[in-house]
Amino acid sequence: EAGVTQSPTHLIKTRGQQATLRCSPISGHTSVYWYQQALGLGLQFLLWYDEGEERNRGNFPPRFSGRQFPNYSSELNVNALELEDSALYLCASSFQDRFNQPQHFGDGTRLSIL
Amino acid sequence: GQQLNQSPQSMFIQEGEDVSMNCTSSSIFNTWLWYKQDPGEGPVLLIALYKAGELTSNGRLTAQFGITRKDSFLNISASIPSDVGIYFCAAPTFNAGGTSYGKLTFGQGTILTVHP
Repeated sequence: EAGVTQSPTHLIKTRGQQATLRCSPISGHTSVYWYQQALGLGLQFLLWYDEGEERNRGNFPPRFSGRQFPNYSSELNVNALELEDSALYLCASSFQDRFNQPQHFGDGTRLSIL
Repeated sequence: GQQLNQSPQSMFIQEGEDVSMNCTSSSIFNTWLWYKQDPGEGPVLLIALYKAGELTSNGRLTAQFGITRKDSFLNISASIPSDVGIYFCAAPTFNAGGTSYGKLTFGQGTILTVHP
């Protein structure tokens, strides 16, 4: 069974540009989560999507947004990129969250802002 | 807010030694999770704990859900070089009514180095 897949593996952008990161969940999982892992810091929760709806977002500015498609895959969009957005962006998926299912992570997209 | 305090921050051990790390919080959690992250990869789920007092093993790994529901520990027995990595505790957050917030709160991580 394929795990959570993320693309691209690496992404290099300059300040002010926009970045789009993609995630495909494990088959059968309907919930998708996004986390930011900056160097030297822990994982910070960004967004949670379930059944195509945004269910919760973390303490990040509105230029971080995303969506979930009918096939449960998801995109994370970051607008007006800033240097401090450089980080590993991790996507996780689980069965429908109300059943307290553990989250399984992909290997992330390394976003570098020059 | 709900925070997890994980210790130690780092450990340097010899191959064959046992390892113990723990996670504490001032908040009560209903689930504790332990993940391992290797360089350049995402966290991999090691053990999930769902009941206070529960003791669960996965090979050489053993984890326990504290009886107060405010802590958990992870033990690794007879460490080997491939145990190197960062270990995170994590817990899902719920509101007072039991509705999930979706997010996992993570500890700061324990960096494990194993010398052959």
